[in-house]
Amino acid sequence: NAGVTQTPKFQVLKTGQSMTLQCAQDMNHEYMSWYRQDPGMGLRLIHYSVGAGITDQGEVPNGYNVSRSTTEDFPLRLLSAAPSQTSVYFCASSSLAGILNEQFFGPGTRLTVL
Amino acid sequence: GNSVTQMEGPVTLSEEAFLTINCTYTATGYPSLFWYVQYPGEGLQLLLKATKADDKGSNKGFEATYRKETTSFHLEKGSVQVSDSAVYFCALSDRRGSNYKLTFGKGTLLTVNP
Repeated sequence: NAGVTQTPKFQVLKTGQSMTLQCAQDMNHEYMSWYRQDPGMGLRLIHYSVGAGITDQGEVPNGYNVSRSTTEDFPLRLLSAAPSQTSVYFCASSSLAGILNEQFFGPGTRLTVL
Repeated sequence: GNSVTQMEGPVTLSEEAFLTINCTYTATGYPSLFWYVQYPGEGLQLLLKATKADDKGSNKGFEATYRKETTSFHLEKGSVQVSDSAVYFCALSDRRGSNYKLTFGKGTLLTVNP
């Protein structure tokens, strides 16, 4: 049981480049979400999904796209990277039955945009 | 909207000292409350939780009590160890409609010296 996995661990992009951050979970969780972590800001919700084919915006969605074609995967796409998107990105998942109990986090992707 | 305020860090203690990290919240419903811990270079892990008023969450010697009258969920440990050095996040989860958002505080960095 791998839990929540994220790739890559580290990434450096130039302004304007695009990339996809991968997130997968093997716990059959319906709920998945993406957060970004910035110094002094805590974690802020970017996008979330309550099941395959269903996504919605969080607190800071601008500049990011998501899709959920399977229960297991929830990729985050940056179409045109900007320096303001330099951050550490965390994916999390939870059972809908346990949504008021615990979310499981991946190890994070550290992204630098030059 | 919901919000979480936790004490500013960093907090530096000697081994075996008593720890308190204050956390207060604002929520319109009846949220569940959590403490997550992030060790250096890792993702967040659930430390403890409480799902209703007067519940006490506990784990690894840490405790926190859900106080509805003071809207607080302060984290305490009687005797900290060097291995407790980490960032601690207070969070709340309030399911309304289809929004399962987890709201985090900004985090408190704890350093424990031998």
